[in-house]
Amino acid sequence: DAKTTQPTSMDCAEGRAANLPCNHSTISGNEYVYWYRQIHSQGPQYIIHGLKNNETNEMASLIITEDRKSSTLILPHATLRDTAVYYCIVRVYFSGNTPLVFGKGTRLSVIA
Amino acid sequence: EAQVTQNPRYLITVTGKKLTVTCSQNMNHEYMSWYRQDPGLGLRQIYYSMNVEVTDKGDVPEGYKVSRKEKRNFPLILESPSPNQTSLYFCASRGLPETQYFGPGTRLLVL
Repeated sequence: DAKTTQPTSMDCAEGRAANLPCNHSTISGNEYVYWYRQIHSQGPQYIIHGLKNNETNEMASLIITEDRKSSTLILPHATLRDTAVYYCIVRVYFSGNTPLVFGKGTRLSVIA
Repeated sequence: EAQVTQNPRYLITVTGKKLTVTCSQNMNHEYMSWYRQDPGLGLRQIYYSMNVEVTDKGDVPEGYKVSRKEKRNFPLILESPSPNQTSLYFCASRGLPETQYFGPGTRLLVL
């Protein structure tokens, strides 16, 4: 899996958009970008994934640059419940048994 | 609602007393796995299963057993728990592409 780099922590005011960046400059053509989050001591939660086009679902939007070397996860209206560690992971479509590896992620604090 | 369930959510036991943590998913996924999470060590895979009756060791399998008799269930068995197995355990099932769904976790304390 390609290496990713994320800021250690970020703050966001409640109700504002949270923009979480991720660098993955060594991504290869068949690798997807996935985002997960883990709220304190809960199971990691899948958020969204994309290959090269921007994606949106009920939780978030994913913007991938044209060269695919970086991406941004956008939570459009952050709430206190979005406080969590967010992980950006790059993997191929089917990785066999390669365990999912979470790096250090970005600790997002949503502030009232 | 697509989900992975685990039971129990919290468990305190004593060394050597066999226990089973159940895991069930309703998404018809073939691949399931167990992870443990410890402070500073992140998530580490214990066992995985590619399909019914097909299981294999992950990175930290010592002291654990699993079985996969049905597609939806993947129990984790600790035959003789020891204090170093005190941890937070997560079951996960995987869809494609590579979207993993985790259970809520089981917090285990072995005295």
